[in-house]
Amino acid sequence: GAVVSQHPSWVICKSGTSVKIECRSLDFQATTMFWYRQFPKQSLMLMATSNEGSKATYEQGVEKDKFLINHASLTLSTLTVTSAHPEDSSFYICSARALVEWGQTREQYFGPGTRLTVT
Amino acid sequence: GENVEQHPSTLSVQEGDSAVIKCTYSDSASNYFPWYKQELGKRPQLIIDIRSNVGEKKDQRIAVTLNKTAKHFSLHITETQPEDSAVYFCAASNAGGTSYGKLTFGQGTILTVHP
Repeated sequence: GAVVSQHPSWVICKSGTSVKIECRSLDFQATTMFWYRQFPKQSLMLMATSNEGSKATYEQGVEKDKFLINHASLTLSTLTVTSAHPEDSSFYICSARALVEWGQTREQYFGPGTRLTVT
Repeated sequence: GENVEQHPSTLSVQEGDSAVIKCTYSDSASNYFPWYKQELGKRPQLIIDIRSNVGEKKDQRIAVTLNKTAKHFSLHITETQPEDSAVYFCAASNAGGTSYGKLTFGQGTILTVHP
């Protein structure tokens, strides 16, 4: 149980175009999903916290107009990188907290990540 | 906000030896401390976690200790094997409150276990 999928697993796009990444919880409901970015040989940096049905909360320094997050259902959150540039090339990983009877679990379940390369 | 410091950045051990990775955190409200193992190009995998009401937790060759007063926690791996080689991350979060349990990660430790 507690499987999170991401699509696509990798994408190459041209500078100036937009890319959408999907994050799905396959066998549980997730009221909260998180989006992280990880550059090579670095740690995971939280970009934003996404709650179902409400606006995402962005971390300091993350441009909300560039990284559009939508969490329209309890099993799907999307991250759209708009007007992508080479410096946006990175590994993007989502995670989700499961909604259980007593609230939310503490554990976050991670997706497999999406490798974005902007040329 | 929370700040997590992790040391060492690289750790090289011989097979069978023990490995210890240490983390400190700044926010006294943090109450959940997971450890993740990440292989190249893969998702982080939870290997063990500890809550603030517990001082130590063990799962076979892996153990975690927590000192709330000093705000530090450590990962201990005994009888290391080559397949333990990976990047290890500590993290801290306040599972309740308005932060929705967001995780703050340490910088990571590259563990290499030599056969």
